[in-house]
Amino acid sequence: DQQVKQNSPSLSVQEGRISILNCDYTNSMFDYFLWYKKYPAEGPTFLISISSIKDKNEDGRFTVFLNKSAKHLSLHIVPSQPGDSAVYFCAARLGSGNTGKLIFGQGTTLQVKP
Amino acid sequence: ETGVTQSPTHLIKTRGQQVTLRCSSQSGHNTVSWYQQALGQGPQFIFQYYREEENGRGNFPPRFSGLQFPNYSSELNVNALELDDSALYLCASSLGGTKNIQYFGAGTRLSVL
Repeated sequence: DQQVKQNSPSLSVQEGRISILNCDYTNSMFDYFLWYKKYPAEGPTFLISISSIKDKNEDGRFTVFLNKSAKHLSLHIVPSQPGDSAVYFCAARLGSGNTGKLIFGQGTTLQVKP
Repeated sequence: ETGVTQSPTHLIKTRGQQVTLRCSSQSGHNTVSWYQQALGQGPQFIFQYYREEENGRGNFPPRFSGLQFPNYSSELNVNALELDDSALYLCASSLGGTKNIQYFGAGTRLSVL
């Protein structure tokens, strides 16, 4: 039972354009959503998060949108840079405070072409 | 750089053996979580420790066990290794609280032959 899904295994965009990565979930009990970026031979690096009570959070070039009614979130990267090329994981938190566990999607590989 | 370090980076074992993986948390973080990441998949939650007590467990058999020490470093032990245990094992530490952002180490790549 895949509670968090990233349906696009890969995405290719031109440098300077917008990258949009999508994520769908099924469990209404998730209270936080996070995006992680992973380079080869490194662990996932935290990028940005959003509480389930918000619909948008912005940090520099990165913006996460949450649509609770559709159980959908997306990560927008504007403008995209070649250094953004990595695997992006969407994660949802179940539980709160010190008990929260993360449920991850399968990941989307983003390639930003110069 | 997350301040979370894992050792060893790579490990090769044979089926039926036992393995211990280690994790040193970011300074001040009292919660550690372990994840298994199979090739082409997202990380899967194994279990979590908070102040030396197991605090939650995913869908993994009892041969996966762990420990957290007073300095908040942690171990993951896997007994009776199976071929399907071959994966990247990730440790993440966090401070708890409302956001409870988990910060990951680079992982240990385990190959079971």
